[in-house]
Amino acid sequence: QSVLTQPPSASGTPGQRVTISCSGSSSNIGSNTANWYQQLPGTAPKLLIYSNNRRPSGAPDRFSGSKSGTSASLAISGLQSEDEADYYCAAWDDSLNGWVFGGGTKLTVL
Amino acid sequence: QVQLVESGGGVVQPGRSLRLSCAASEFTFSHYAIHWVRQAPGKGLEWVALISYDGSNKYYADSVKGRFTISRDNSKNTLYLQMISLRPEDTAVYYCARGGVAAAGTWAAFDYWGQGTLVTVSS
Repeated sequence: QSVLTQPPSASGTPGQRVTISCSGSSSNIGSNTANWYQQLPGTAPKLLIYSNNRRPSGAPDRFSGSKSGTSASLAISGLQSEDEADYYCAAWDDSLNGWVFGGGTKLTVL
Repeated sequence: QVQLVESGGGVVQPGRSLRLSCAASEFTFSHYAIHWVRQAPGKGLEWVALISYDGSNKYYADSVKGRFTISRDNSKNTLYLQMISLRPEDTAVYYCARGGVAAAGTWAAFDYWGQGTLVTVSS
């Protein structure tokens, strides 16, 4: 059971907008920033969004992040086939004194 | 281009020990916090441990506390993970990942990841 809760799966058709949620608590997302990672099949994870809504260099602007209270969200607009991957949220947890990840969401492009 | 290359994985019997290494290049290693993150076969990511840029602070997941030790040698640009009393549930791909700079590095996102090394704990 992960500390951060994500839906196990999401799907959309090319061009569609998809949103993935990440629910936490006051000790993690509620008091710290959320980050998002993309893991393409058979590869290492890659940073996609940091500090709730900032994109690292190279991350497409189709990806955006937001945070409200103890939850964070990742939105993907103009869905493309190459976006098919696993997506993970993560945050520092003040109570655990460590980092926590969500269980991951498998995105399927139909 | 930032590079992190893990090594030291393999098959080990339950109760035995193993040491993983992570060789860093193309950035000033001694300025950054570094993490170990693992992924069991077919499962999600699990944060394992973190060491601050100068090695003075270390943090561990409860699942490995007392069994795993993270360390670094800034003169060799290398991170280590000493694992003892290994259990079948420690079977995973172990990634090293770069954190943030200096004192704030503990709370920064993991911006670069290695390709991982597989540890299999089985008799």
